Amino acid sequence: AQSVTQLDSHVSVSEGTPVLLRCNYSSSYSPSLFWYVQHPNKGLQLLLKYTSAATLVKGINGFEAEFKKSETSFHLTKPSAHMSDAAEYFCAVSGVGTASKLTFGTGTRLQVTL
Amino acid sequence: DVKVTQSSRYLVKRTGEKVFLECVQDMDHENMFWYRQDPGLGLRLIYFSYDVKMKEKGDIPEGYSVSREKKERFSLILESASTNQTSMYLCASSLIQGARGYTFGSGTRLTVV
Repeated sequence: AQSVTQLDSHVSVSEGTPVLLRCNYSSSYSPSLFWYVQHPNKGLQLLLKYTSAATLVKGINGFEAEFKKSETSFHLTKPSAHMSDAAEYFCAVSGVGTASKLTFGTGTRLQVTL
Repeated sequence: DVKVTQSSRYLVKRTGEKVFLECVQDMDHENMFWYRQDPGLGLRLIYFSYDVKMKEKGDIPEGYSVSREKKERFSLILESASTNQTSMYLCASSLIQGARGYTFGSGTRLTVV
């Protein structure tokens, strides 16, 4: 079985400073990993995904994530936070077999202050 | 260009009522999913379907059932709503190989009183 652990439930940064949201995964095979963002009262939007190609993955809105197999991590970063980045972020890992179900972490709420 | 549509944004139902949550996707995806989202618990899978009339239980199926009579539509049914089913419900769809990720609807916030 696969799982993900998001190491921080809340992260607060100042506008213009770097963002780091941490995610560790557990999987018995080569995983596919995802980051989603959810703005208030909205559904989830795919930010980026890793599917065994390049280990550094670039996504939308300036976000990127690096797959590190030795550390079983897939942390999400952005060089400079913007107020519009304030949202909840979910890391997820894909299973194999029927429907390739995603297992989600518990989420990290990102607060961006002036 | 809406791709996954959930019929209700907000819903208030009484305890014991039978509740239907509807989800429609227009991307010809094989897989469809129902999750519930609760603070501090993330998203938990209730049921999923990988083909018409096919369904499988997720992690928390108790108190729920589903129906998929057409490829584009996946319904979640609360047989007898209870207050502990007050939650945000999210529908998603994906291609048969889910490595491209899911497309989510905007969610239905259900309150059971």
